[in-house]
Amino acid sequence: DTAVSQTPKYLVTQMGNDKSIKCEQNLGHDTMYWYKQDSKKFLKIMFSYNNKELIINETVPNRFSPKSPDKAHLNLHINSLELGDSAVYFCASSPRDRLNYGYTFGSGTRLTVV
Amino acid sequence: AQKITQTQPGMFVQEKEAVTLDCTYDTSDPSYGLFWYKQPSSGEMIFLIYQGSYDQQNATEGRYSLNFQKARKSANLVISASQLGDSAMYFCAMREADTGGFKTIFGAGTRLFVKA
Repeated sequence: DTAVSQTPKYLVTQMGNDKSIKCEQNLGHDTMYWYKQDSKKFLKIMFSYNNKELIINETVPNRFSPKSPDKAHLNLHINSLELGDSAVYFCASSPRDRLNYGYTFGSGTRLTVV
Repeated sequence: AQKITQTQPGMFVQEKEAVTLDCTYDTSDPSYGLFWYKQPSSGEMIFLIYQGSYDQQNATEGRYSLNFQKARKSANLVISASQLGDSAMYFCAMREADTGGFKTIFGAGTRLFVKA
């Protein structure tokens, strides 16, 4: 039973296209996140949602739009894809938006823009 | 300025020996959390250990322990009795309050190689 599941696992698309990545968690967690891991393995937060409400929105191009229809789902839609968007995108969740909770991560979505 | 610094891009350790992965952090907030995550070559991220800024004792989880030196702002991960399966990237992370919520920032990672 996968705790945090992301689909698709791999995504290859052309520049200019629009694509979505879906994330679902069955842990009953309140808080969900999107992180981007670049080719040098650096992880950077993009968005954080708590009970469907956006609480952290880092400096991310507005081509990236997250949506949380309920607290178990957090999707990421990307418009007008660019070469620099190629990365691994991780969804994660934590029980609460508190200091002492570690994240449970999804397996990642490797996005390649050609 | 870097909030989380991992100065060792790569480390080698002999199987069954202990290894320390370094991490220093920078914050002016008295309340924060420190974490270590493991990323094997398969790509998933695995939470290993947590240390709170007010915790008096160093955190331990099985073969993992966190050497927390608050005055030095360091949170080194110690892995005892290394196993081949410990070969992976290891990320140190700090969680602190941000506008509207809490934010976790990751270091650049240390790649650990365990030799047979």
